[in-house]
Amino acid sequence: QKEVEQDPGPLSVPEGAIVSLNCTYSNSAFQYFMWYRQYSRKGPELLMYTYSSGNKEDGRFTAQVDKSSKYISLFIRDSQPSDSATYLCAMSDTMEYGNKLVFGAGTILRVKS
Amino acid sequence: GAGVSQSPSNKVTEKGKDVELRCDPISGHTALYWYRQSLGQGLEFLIYFQGNSAPDKSGLPSDRFSAERTGGSVSTLTIQRTQQEDSAVYLCASSASPNHEQFFGPGTRLTVL
Repeated sequence: QKEVEQDPGPLSVPEGAIVSLNCTYSNSAFQYFMWYRQYSRKGPELLMYTYSSGNKEDGRFTAQVDKSSKYISLFIRDSQPSDSATYLCAMSDTMEYGNKLVFGAGTILRVKS
Repeated sequence: GAGVSQSPSNKVTEKGKDVELRCDPISGHTALYWYRQSLGQGLEFLIYFQGNSAPDKSGLPSDRFSAERTGGSVSTLTIQRTQQEDSAVYLCASSASPNHEQFFGPGTRLTVL
């Protein structure tokens, strides 16, 4: 079993929809949680970063972490065609020496205009 | 300013050949990471460099893989006697310090025939 599980999709939604992307994990030591967006033929770029449990909002994006359930989510409100990309969750047990991130497989999102 | 650059962007090689992949990190970034992204898989950590410290090679899948970082800047990932299962996108990332955001390059897409 992988340390981080993520449904690969693809997830196809109409423009304006609310999108929910999720990851589950098995390592209870993870404390730092990130969401990356990766466009085709590009490297991942950091979208959201959360420490421990709770919610964090940034514009149309909201990240949620539930450590008791080992479950994290990314919500995208008013989705746009430009949001079409692969979304990768990543996590780590430390942000100190050797911040080796453990990634999910990524979910392909397609927003139709 | 310039981001992380990688070369070549694409590499096709025959099984058994050696390949070298290059990464130019963001100027001044002391931490440098290599990841591998296989089809349908998340990013897999390979190796980490921090300043002049000995690299963390714990993610290298076999002794055919090696990497060096010259002068604390440019890094080269070498794969000897390539196998078909080495086909993947190899991503490099750098950060200002180990506990800061990792910025990714566009990757090198390696195809082993």
